Amino acid sequence: SYELTQPPSVSLSPGQTARITCSGDAFPHQFAYWYQQKPGQAPVLVIYKDSVRPSGIPERFSGSTSGTTVTLIISEVQAEDEADYYCQSGDTSGTSVVFGGGTKVTVL
Amino acid sequence: EVQLVESGGGLVQPGRSLTLSCITSGFTFGDHSLTWVRQAPGRGLQWVGFIRTKGHGGTTEYDASVKGRFTISRDDSKSVAYLQMNSLKTEDTALYYCAREDYYGSGSYPFWGQGTLVTVSS
Repeated sequence: SYELTQPPSVSLSPGQTARITCSGDAFPHQFAYWYQQKPGQAPVLVIYKDSVRPSGIPERFSGSTSGTTVTLIISEVQAEDEADYYCQSGDTSGTSVVFGGGTKVTVL
Repeated sequence: EVQLVESGGGLVQPGRSLTLSCITSGFTFGDHSLTWVRQAPGRGLQWVGFIRTKGHGGTTEYDASVKGRFTISRDDSKSVAYLQMNSLKTEDTALYYCAREDYYGSGSYPFWGQGTLVTVSS
C-alpha cells in the first residue's frame, strides 16, 4: 500500500493564492484527483487527471505536478472556497484507491 | 441527472452485521464501477472498496482494514450496489458514501451520494 501526504491546514486572506500539496510515491506514475468537501456535504470533484477541471468548476481552481508532489492551486481565493480538500490516486495495478489526509483551507 | 442514494445505516452492536444499499438512477448502471468510501466523525475520507462492471468481471477490491469482513456486490437489473458489513467494530463507525467512477479505469469519482451513517456501539 502507499500513502498520500497533505498539510493539515492552510490559512489565507481573500484574494490570495492557495497552494495545497499532496506527496506520494504514486506520483508521477498515477494521476491525481482533488475533491472539495464542505461541512455536512459530500465531496465534489474539482480536478481530475492532475490538472483537468470538470465542467462547472470555477477557473480559479487548477492543478500541477512536479515529481512526487501534486498541487491544487486556488487563485484569488474566496470565502466560499473555505472547505476541506482531499487528493486521491490509485495504484498502478488498479486494485486500490487512496486518499490523502485532507487539508482544511481557512479564508480569514 | 445522475443520482446515488445510500440507505441502510443505523446503530449496530459490535460483532453484528449490516448491509448498506446504494440506489442509483440517471445513468446506465452496468457500464460503471462503484466504490464505497467512509468518513469517521471528524476524520478524512477512507476508501473501503470497489466493484468493477460485469463486463470487467464484476470483481471487487478492498482496503486491508475491511478485507474479509466487508463484501461489495451489485444488481445491475435494479441499478443498486450493496455493502455487506460483517463482524463490525467500533472503528467502523462512519458516514458511508457510494460513488460512481466516471468511466471504467478513469480513477475519477465525479458522482457521490449523500452518505448513510453507521454507528457501531454497544
